[in-house]
This record gives sequence, C-alpha cells and structure tokens, in this order.
Amino acid sequence: DAGVIQSPRHEVTEMGQEVTLRCKPISGHDYLFWYRQTMMRGLELLIYFNNNVPIDDSGMPEDRFSAKMPNASFSTLKIQPSEPRDSAVYFCASSQGETQYFGPGTRLLVL
Amino acid sequence: GDSVTQMEGPVTLSEEAFLTINCTYTATGYPSLFWYVQYPGEGLQLLLKATKADDKGSNKGFEATYRKETTSFHLEKGSVQVSDSAVYFCALNSPASKRGRRALTFGSGTRLQVQP
Repeated sequence: DAGVIQSPRHEVTEMGQEVTLRCKPISGHDYLFWYRQTMMRGLELLIYFNNNVPIDDSGMPEDRFSAKMPNASFSTLKIQPSEPRDSAVYFCASSQGETQYFGPGTRLLVL
Repeated sequence: GDSVTQMEGPVTLSEEAFLTINCTYTATGYPSLFWYVQYPGEGLQLLLKATKADDKGSNKGFEATYRKETTSFHLEKGSVQVSDSAVYFCALNSPASKRGRRALTFGSGTRLQVQP
C-alpha cells in the first residue's frame, strides 16, 4: 500500500492567492482528517470526515478555509484568500480503526 | 475539554541512556491513549497505544502504561539509539469528546536528540 498521499509537498504563494491541498487516503479507510502544524500552536485538528461526510469542522480557523471529500479516495483543503499566518505544514491522515495514518504533509509558505 | 500535557524539550541523551518522556491527560470518560513519533520531514506514525487502564503498550523497545489513578501515560525506553532522535507526541481520543470519538487531541510534542 502506498500510504496516504498528499500533494503538493511544498507550496509557496503570495498573500491573497487561492491554495488547494490534496489528499488521497489509504484504500478502505473510512475516516479522513486534516491537521495543521505550527511551532506556535502545535498540531491542530481542522476537520474530519466519515464516509465522505464532514463530522466535525470546529477546528477550521475561519471562512477562508474549506474542505471537501467528493469520494472515498480524494479530499481537498482550500484556503481562499491565503494570508501569511496560514503558513504551516498541513497533514492529512486516514483511519479504519483508532490508529490514524499520516501523510508526509504539505509545507505551505504564504508570502 | 480534553487536553494532553507533555514535558517540554528538547531532551538530549547519550546513546544507550534511559529515556522517560512524561505525559499527563485530562479527558471525559475513558480515553484511549497513544504515542506518535515524527521523524524529520515526515508525517506522524503510531508508536504504541493503550485502550484501558493498566494496559501497557510497547513497540521497538518503547513502553508506556495507562495509569488511570495518576492520569498519565509516560513513555520509556531502556537504551536509546541515535536513530530514535525525533519528536514524540502523546495523544488521546475519548468516546465522550464533543468532537466525536475519533478526534485525537495531541500534546505539544517533545523533541528527543540522541548523541553518539
């Protein structure tokens, strides 16, 4: 199994631009999670899905952030417009049971 | 709400030294407890877990015991190696969490540096 796949691995953009992060979960996993990691705030759960349905989005910072899961093998996290304070590493994880399997992350830098 | 508190790092040890990383938690109900490890430039991966009081999780020489009376889940290893250098995260999920039973709450992470 290839594990959780995230793209791009690195993204540099300018303030105000739209950013789309992509995730392919492990096949057969029914939960998908989006996290953000920063030095200041540590690891934060943004949103998670069960069977493609959002279960909890209370960690999404503000309306500029949105996430979708159109099918069991694909999810996106979109930031529009992006701001410098959105610079972070964004992780996607998937699970079937309690153990979550993390992707390698997308390192986002907003200038 | 649920929370996890870990000792601040970095923890710097010589090879073959004994390791303890402290973790305490606050949670509603009876959580499952986890240790995840993050190597440089990678995502987190599960190291070990315990699902009920007095359970001991173990993997790759690491151990942690679920202590309900002290609400702790300290990570230990008898002899660390340079390859153990990484960031270690304590985490929990709770069936009674407002965010749902699958939502993990993470500690802030403890960086371990092992010198040869």
